[in-house]
Amino acid sequence: RKEVEQDPGPFNVPEGATVAFNCTYSNSASQSFFWYRQDCRKEPKLLMSVYSSGNEDGRFTAQLNRASQYISLLIRDSKLSDSATYLCAVNRGNRDDKIIFGKGTRLHILP
Amino acid sequence: EPEVTQTPSHQVTQMGQEVILRCVPISNHLYFYWYRQILGQKVEFLVSFYNNEISEKSEIFDDQFSVERPDGSNFTLKIRSTKLEDSAMYFCASSNQGARTEAFFGQGTRLTVV
Repeated sequence: RKEVEQDPGPFNVPEGATVAFNCTYSNSASQSFFWYRQDCRKEPKLLMSVYSSGNEDGRFTAQLNRASQYISLLIRDSKLSDSATYLCAVNRGNRDDKIIFGKGTRLHILP
Repeated sequence: EPEVTQTPSHQVTQMGQEVILRCVPISNHLYFYWYRQILGQKVEFLVSFYNNEISEKSEIFDDQFSVERPDGSNFTLKIRSTKLEDSAMYFCASSNQGARTEAFFGQGTRLTVV
């Protein structure tokens, strides 16, 4: 099983719709979780950290489910500018000093 | 807003040549990373660096690779003898408290080995 798995998509979603992605991780000791956004040929940009209690930032909501080992990202009222690849990132915890990325989920918002 | 800066933005080199990619992390960050992304593939961890030493490295980071913090601001990645398969985007990142907290990425250096 891969350390961090995401549905590659693409998700083609009409503008204004709500879209959700999941990301599963294999190591139960993982402690820190993040969503990044990556535009074509650009660097990953932090979208939000994912806390145990969930995290909301405007139209974006992230949730963590430790029991099932997945995190989710919900985008409400999607906009054309939300078109990008969304990367899930996980730190394995303990003394592990690296963040592992999933392959990303491509999102296309359609006008 | 503080940011990670990388130079050059694009480097073309001949196979077998040495390259040095440069990064200036965010000034109060203590943890530094290099990642690479081959076109169309995922962002892959190469190495993490803290307190002037490597704290973790991946299988990709073999003897051809080395990192250095030559002064108080720069963080470099050296590839001694480049191969065609080293062609990729190389991202530097830094964080405040290691991998428990968010890492912020530079804009990347596109390395093309010909």
